Amino acid sequence: DILMTQTPLSSPVTLGQSASISCRSSQSLVHSDGNTYLSWLHQRPGQPPRLLINKISNRISGVPDRFSGSGAGTDFTLKISRVEAEDAGVYYCMQATQFPRTFGQGTKVEIK
Amino acid sequence: EVQLVESGGGLVQPGRSLRLSCTTSGFTFGDFAMSWFRQAPGKGLEWVAFIRGKVWPGPTEYAASVKGRFTMSRDDSKSIAYLQMDSLKTEDTAVYFCSRFNDFWGQGTLVTVSS
Repeated sequence: DILMTQTPLSSPVTLGQSASISCRSSQSLVHSDGNTYLSWLHQRPGQPPRLLINKISNRISGVPDRFSGSGAGTDFTLKISRVEAEDAGVYYCMQATQFPRTFGQGTKVEIK
Repeated sequence: EVQLVESGGGLVQPGRSLRLSCTTSGFTFGDFAMSWFRQAPGKGLEWVAFIRGKVWPGPTEYAASVKGRFTMSRDDSKSIAYLQMDSLKTEDTAVYFCSRFNDFWGQGTLVTVSS
């Protein structure tokens, strides 16, 4: 199984500042079709997860451009610029390159 | 508008069975792979099962923790995905989410396995 490791696990952020979350996989996420199936999801308390970004950097329709994804191979980053109150919650990276699908532990973003 | 609504959760004793349904609308169901995920109380997300759409032939996939006990299926005529859960264990207690591939998620249904 591919192990996904996120850092940090907790990130206090001041409104208007930036936050960055790292996700590292135990093996390359490049699929045989050439795509890299690394996604970022956001979950607020009591809510289902919401997909923000797939294939490393493709922002889903309706997701603010304050969210950006980058990386390649085994190292990936989610950056949130100009953090707003609604960005609080837990962020997960997930790989869909291989079965079983696996998630990072989650990073809790708290707004100071 | 894409919608997914899970149902069928509840309290069940260990060793018993439960069937979850994921009723969908707003897209051509048969064209999409579907997944089940779960989240134990206070814990992170865990993938459970995956079933391909008619465009991609192939087996249904399962997490090791549920393989042999859970069966995922789909009825394209009704736009519903199912998760048949047999031989339930206390560690299966979680909110179960269905997802269209990985992009749209339902609100989830709570399954509690307890005596």
